[in-house]
Amino acid sequence: QVQLQQWGAGLLKPSETLSLTCTVSGDSVRSYYWSWIRQPPGKGLEWIAYVYYSGSTNHNPSLKSRVTTSVDRSKNQFSLNLSSVTAADTAVYYCARGQRGPHDYDWGTYRYNWFDPWGQGTLVIVSS
Amino acid sequence: SSELTQDPAVSVALGQTVRITCQGDSLRSYYASWYQQKPGQAPVIVIFGKNNRPSGIPDRFSGSSSGNTASLIITGAQAEDEADYYCNSRDIKNDHVLFGGGTKLTVL
Repeated sequence: QVQLQQWGAGLLKPSETLSLTCTVSGDSVRSYYWSWIRQPPGKGLEWIAYVYYSGSTNHNPSLKSRVTTSVDRSKNQFSLNLSSVTAADTAVYYCARGQRGPHDYDWGTYRYNWFDPWGQGTLVIVSS
Repeated sequence: SSELTQDPAVSVALGQTVRITCQGDSLRSYYASWYQQKPGQAPVIVIFGKNNRPSGIPDRFSGSSSGNTASLIITGAQAEDEADYYCNSRDIKNDHVLFGGGTKLTVL
């Protein structure tokens, strides 16, 4: 059974850097798209970024260049850094394993993705 | 546009069938996946792709798609199905990920 265990600082001041790490057990980070998703209090889910085991990444353009993600294959972990945080970054942050459906040759690409399992979530509060 | 739109709230009588919808341009090309989230818990996948149900998810959950709309159908809703439901898809233009705003399901 695949499990994700995440940790990191839960209280930050404005302009500091959010750092979270997620350890994968029951699977290897040498596959899949390891992802970060957040949820502001009382609001919906927002995709932040994903990182592939090779190190290639993709992130939500709304977060501009503040996001950095990485994979540590030796520790079977992946991490998120979000710089220059503000109160708007207050949220529960989740790590998750991202998967893609098979290549659809008629469409020339995969046609769906999903996230499973998810970490337990980390509430990060940004306050002065 | 790169957005997925869901109704904020839907209600269903116990034992009846309910359809939760997700609309967006990306859904004309790509399938949605669906997540159930109960208060204080992480989301759980209930349907992925065209209509794939992970092990452990009851068969009363199913998915369908038509045009720019994807649907999560719960046939014979149970009290324990009361939760928030989110759809997700890939962006039509790139490999970015989209989430809908969520639907709060109330079972009466």
